[in-house]
Amino acid sequence: EVQLVESGGGLVKPGGSLRLSCAASGFTFSSYTMIWVRQAPGKGLECVSSISSGGGYIYQADSVKGRFTISRDNAQNALYLQMNSLRAEDTALYFCARALAVAGTDSWGQGTLVTVSS
Amino acid sequence: QPVLTQSSSASASLGSSVKLTCTLSSGHSSYIIAWHQHQPGMAPRYLMKLEGDGTYNKGSGVPDRFSGSSSGADRYLTISNLQSEDEADYYCETWDSDTRVFGGGTKLTVL
Repeated sequence: EVQLVESGGGLVKPGGSLRLSCAASGFTFSSYTMIWVRQAPGKGLECVSSISSGGGYIYQADSVKGRFTISRDNAQNALYLQMNSLRAEDTALYFCARALAVAGTDSWGQGTLVTVSS
Repeated sequence: QPVLTQSSSASASLGSSVKLTCTLSSGHSSYIIAWHQHQPGMAPRYLMKLEGDGTYNKGSGVPDRFSGSSSGADRYLTISNLQSEDEADYYCETWDSDTRVFGGGTKLTVL
């Protein structure tokens, strides 16, 4: 069974940093593109960043470019999102998810809440 | 990149059927999409992959009541015999290279 478990969320002041982690199990992690998707309060889903299976290709949404960095450790079956220069508008539930090349995002974690507030 | 448009809300009665629509932007009408169900406090659930010719492949454990169809740039999710547990937000998703795009979501209320 595919399992994705996020951690690292919390309350942070504007301008601060957080590092989110996602522990993956139940599948060959190194074979899949992984993504971070967020949902701000009362809003829909937004893909903020994705990373290819080997880490060689990275996508970042314009809203986080230059502030967030996605990375992965295939030996540890782990996905990360380093978030710097956080803003109030980054407040959201952040999901780790597995993305299939031709079939969509087929597995999701439960999410970790990030709140940016003074 | 593609843009997906969904109605913000829909409602239907318990036991009836409802058809949700996701519309692909101009120039992207052939794109494959995926449908997801999201209930508050839970992980989103992958429902199916849906192609432009109406072929769909459901995720593991998705009930037979859920089906997909397509017409031009429109992608549909039909839920038959609505149950109370179907009340949720429904999102469509598509992709371009490694960019993932989601529609704004439709909030389904089961009356």
